[in-house]
Amino acid sequence: NAGVTQTPKFQVLKTGQSMTLQCAQDMNHNSMYWYRQDPGMGLRLIYYSASEGTTDKGEVPNGYNVSRLNKREFSLRLESAAPSQTSVYFCASSEHYSSWPFFGPGTRLTVL
Amino acid sequence: KQEVTQIPAALSVPEGENLVLNCSFTDSAIYNLQWFRQDPGKGLTSLLLIQSSQREQTSGRLNASLDKSSGRSTLYIAASQPGDSATYLCAVRRRGSRLTFGEGTQLTVNP
Repeated sequence: NAGVTQTPKFQVLKTGQSMTLQCAQDMNHNSMYWYRQDPGMGLRLIYYSASEGTTDKGEVPNGYNVSRLNKREFSLRLESAAPSQTSVYFCASSEHYSSWPFFGPGTRLTVL
Repeated sequence: KQEVTQIPAALSVPEGENLVLNCSFTDSAIYNLQWFRQDPGKGLTSLLLIQSSQREQTSGRLNASLDKSSGRSTLYIAASQPGDSATYLCAVRRRGSRLTFGEGTQLTVNP
């Protein structure tokens, strides 16, 4: 039972490059989330999927897109990376939208 | 807009000391409050969840209290150990809404 897994663990991009962060959970949770964590800013919600087939914007969605591929997987895409997107990205899942969230180990992204 | 503040930002204590971490929030109409632990380079681990109708929750050496009317929660750690060294974050949720996180308190327990 792996919980929430994220790939890759680390990534360096040049400005303008694109990439997709992958997230998968094996707990049969309905809701999944993408957060970013920046020094002095705490964790901020980028996008979430309350249930399979739905996605909604969070607090800081600009510059990102998401796909809820199936119940297990929720990906985050940066179409044209910018230095302001340098951050640590966390995926999380919960049984329902108001339930206790479980977090993945994070992806540390640097955009040069 | 809900804002969550954690004081102090960093705390260093000798092993064995009892300590209190503070969390305050601006909107008292919360559904629940959670405390998390984050180890360096790792994700967050949920520690304690307090529903809005509850006053406190306990798990081992940890005790979290909630005073909704004053917009405050405290996390009490008894008999601290070096293994407790981590960043502790609190987060609040309104009904049907997203979690709002504080910036965390970085705790160092010195042997």
